[in-house]
Amino acid sequence: QVQLQESGPGLVKPSGTLSLTCAVSGGSISSSNWWSWVRQPPGKGLEWIGEIYHSGSTNYNPSLKSRVTISVDKSKNQFSLKLSSVTAADTAVYYCARGYYYGSGSYRRNWFDPWGQGTLVTVSS
Amino acid sequence: EIVLTQSPATLSLSPGERATLSCRASQSVSSYLAWYQQKPGQAPRLLIYDASNRATGIPARFSGSGSGTDFTLTISSLEPEDFAVYYCQQRSNWPTFGPGTKVDIK
Repeated sequence: QVQLQESGPGLVKPSGTLSLTCAVSGGSISSSNWWSWVRQPPGKGLEWIGEIYHSGSTNYNPSLKSRVTISVDKSKNQFSLKLSSVTAADTAVYYCARGYYYGSGSYRRNWFDPWGQGTLVTVSS
Repeated sequence: EIVLTQSPATLSLSPGERATLSCRASQSVSSYLAWYQQKPGQAPRLLIYDASNRATGIPARFSGSGSGTDFTLTISSLEPEDFAVYYCQQRSNWPTFGPGTKVDIK
């Protein structure tokens, strides 16, 4: 079955760029799925960051769009997240997840399964 | 943006009891709502998609219902491993999650 594994630095300095990679195993990133990043500040709820399709098409959370870039590397079966100009408010556990997404009208089917184990990124000097 | 609210914030129950969790959307999401379970230190796990479809490997004691703006996740008889936080999720223009309901041991 598909498994996802996040990797990247656990500490980023304020105003720097957070960079994470999600390796996909047990399946192809070129399947008919969208690949997402979701984060969770310590003790708080879940926030969707953005997603990418294997074609390179992306969608981002409007609240983060100006700072986020998600890319895909099909040769390595992985996708990546870059979040620029980070502050302490960006400290969170970052998860990658496979997304099922259908529809384009008023109602859209969407869920995430499976998820990676998550990686804690702390923004601090 | 569609906002999801979940109630109650905390549900204190004993093993074997029935748990009823509510998720309300600020406007209709049809039947396109998902539920997740998250245990401490773990990633969320998909339980239910499209309001009422159990994900692969999810026990039958978990069931989902509802449409439009009001949804319910029911755990028919709580097992010790079911004490966790539960989130609902929808997608209108982008995915959003509810704030969660914590089910803890009474």
